[in-house]
Amino acid sequence: ETGVTQSPTHLIKTRGQQVTLRCSSQSGHNTVSWYQQALGQGPQFIFQYYREEENGRGNFPPRFSGLQFPNYSSELNVNALELDDSALYLCASSLTLAIDTQYFGPGTRLTVL
Amino acid sequence: KNEVEQSPQNLTAQEGEFITINCSYSVGISALHWLQQHPGGGIVSLFMLSSGKKKHGRLIATINIQEKHSSLHITASHPRDSAVYICAVTPTTGTASKLTFGTGTRLQVTL
Repeated sequence: ETGVTQSPTHLIKTRGQQVTLRCSSQSGHNTVSWYQQALGQGPQFIFQYYREEENGRGNFPPRFSGLQFPNYSSELNVNALELDDSALYLCASSLTLAIDTQYFGPGTRLTVL
Repeated sequence: KNEVEQSPQNLTAQEGEFITINCSYSVGISALHWLQQHPGGGIVSLFMLSSGKKKHGRLIATINIQEKHSSLHITASHPRDSAVYICAVTPTTGTASKLTFGTGTRLQVTL
């Protein structure tokens, strides 16, 4: 068991709404990355946080935002939901910013109607 | 063209067979990862390697940096190995722990 948890497991929203997804990293892991995985595709990097600061961002619009808290938890917020935002959202934590094994959570499946 | 390509996309094998999944990448990398994803979504890291070969139980991962190619081998396959196997790389440019993923190889091992 990796120790990374995510909530909720499943979520259904309608277009235009806002959503907050949560991740609890392994204790001591200062780095968390968020990924979006569309059906049948590999995950795509959204952004990464290190010690509560954004440390890199993929090709996602500003309506995707995040927060990381001192207690190793983090959030992914998505505003103005679009149908294409329907996907599995994965968070992964690692000990440091260095190249390291990432520990993935079970994911949150978001459906936008 | 994706930066990380995997083959085959789908693979069916009988229990006991030797399985090979291939990964090719087109960017400079600091490390290559093999991951396993079961139905429902959870991803488990199997290997992280930057050269040579690693072995864990029935799983073997190799990488050839010059050819930009890696293989994941499963010896004596078992139905519980059925999953999606994903190759991912850490590019040398950009965020150190950002991963770029292939689309995965769906493996089904039958009795």
